Amino acid sequence: SQQGEEDPQALSIQEGENATMNCSYKTSINNLQWYRQNSGRGLVHLILIRSNEREKHSGRLRVTLDTSKKSSSLLITASRAADTASYFCATSGNAGKSTFGDGTTLTVKP
Amino acid sequence: GAGVSQSPSNKVTEKGKDVELRCDPISGHTALYWYRQRLGQGLEFLIYFQGNSAPDKSGLPSDRFSAERTGESVSTLTIQRTQQEDSAVYLCASRPTGGTGELFFGEGSRLTVL
Repeated sequence: SQQGEEDPQALSIQEGENATMNCSYKTSINNLQWYRQNSGRGLVHLILIRSNEREKHSGRLRVTLDTSKKSSSLLITASRAADTASYFCATSGNAGKSTFGDGTTLTVKP
Repeated sequence: GAGVSQSPSNKVTEKGKDVELRCDPISGHTALYWYRQRLGQGLEFLIYFQGNSAPDKSGLPSDRFSAERTGESVSTLTIQRTQQEDSAVYLCASRPTGGTGELFFGEGSRLTVL
């Protein structure tokens, strides 16, 4: 089974609204990363949060991590039509292997 | 090159044929990963190479799948006797040792088995 599981599976919002996606995982991790994938393309790294961090910001992105609940959230503020994509969380443990979830498909309507 | 390069970008083959997919990682990246992504789904881990260590093959779905890596450069994923269920995009990623942990992805190889 996948280590990371995102919810919701799909999210549709209006431009300007905020989008929140959640990720849950099962085992202990060194870090958790969020990636973006435009249709038919490879994945692009957005942000990494280490297991000893609780919150991190990068531009319009805010990531939180709760290791006690084994969950993370990605918030995209003031969304734009260009944010339309699939978003994946990935967890990495001591062995270095990175495991991905099934993703959240975000649609931002102009 | 500047990024991870995969070839071919598209491959159509007949059931039962063998296919080879190639990945050129970013120069100097010691870690290399292969993932499979079926249409509309997430990434399924296949195999992970780290330097000269034995690869983590725990994600290979059957003995029809194998992968090799020459030192810290090119990797080839081979699928023997392809089945229709093998149709997917195969993504390669690389990562430098001591980096932030970020994976750098190629654009993928789309495999269609007829």
